[in-house]
Amino acid sequence: DGGITQSPKYLFRKEGQNVTLSCEQNLNHDAMYWYRQDPGQGLRLIYYSQIVNDFQKGDIAEGYSVSREKKESFPLTVTSAQKNPTAFYLCASSISEYNEQFFGPGTRLTVL
Amino acid sequence: LAKTTQPISMDSYEGQEVNITCSHNNIATNDYITWYQQFPSQGPRFIIQGYKTKVTNEVASLFIPADRKSSTLSLPRVSLSDTAVYYCLVESGNTPLVFGKGTRLSVIA
Repeated sequence: DGGITQSPKYLFRKEGQNVTLSCEQNLNHDAMYWYRQDPGQGLRLIYYSQIVNDFQKGDIAEGYSVSREKKESFPLTVTSAQKNPTAFYLCASSISEYNEQFFGPGTRLTVL
Repeated sequence: LAKTTQPISMDSYEGQEVNITCSHNNIATNDYITWYQQFPSQGPRFIIQGYKTKVTNEVASLFIPADRKSSTLSLPRVSLSDTAVYYCLVESGNTPLVFGKGTRLSVIA
């Protein structure tokens, strides 16, 4: 059963702590993406990766970091430098950078 | 990068056809137009993509005039389950997708 998974669905953290969000896909897609969505807003691109061991900053990369050591995995770390980290985080993948994107179920992060 | 403009919200009754228009005045020659649908607390999902004229699939139709400066997503006979946010995007060959705020469609019984 192919797909893209994110865990956990809900995550709570104290202010000042780093937190890592998981994203895994078994679709054999080369490209992966991280988006942030705030209430009533569209999606904003944080980071994207076209291939293993390579990634590029999106529109709002400050305060976030990523790694792409394996094709299947693209974890996102929300660091303490991110001023307002509470949001809904969505991971997506596509065959290549310019194809249809498949989204995971999302992780809702709340920083207390 | 072609910017898109679409209505913030629309209401429709069940069973009606809904047309959502998106403007993209500075679309480039090689750009494609793509629409995604998003339900609350879920990731968006691809609906339809087109380059010119008309594209139809089992879910929707996409109408693109000759000048390609706008496009219209048509949802036939909507039901309550079509209540969602619909995003119009212009796909350029060298930049990632840009999701605006989309159009919030509310279907009323």
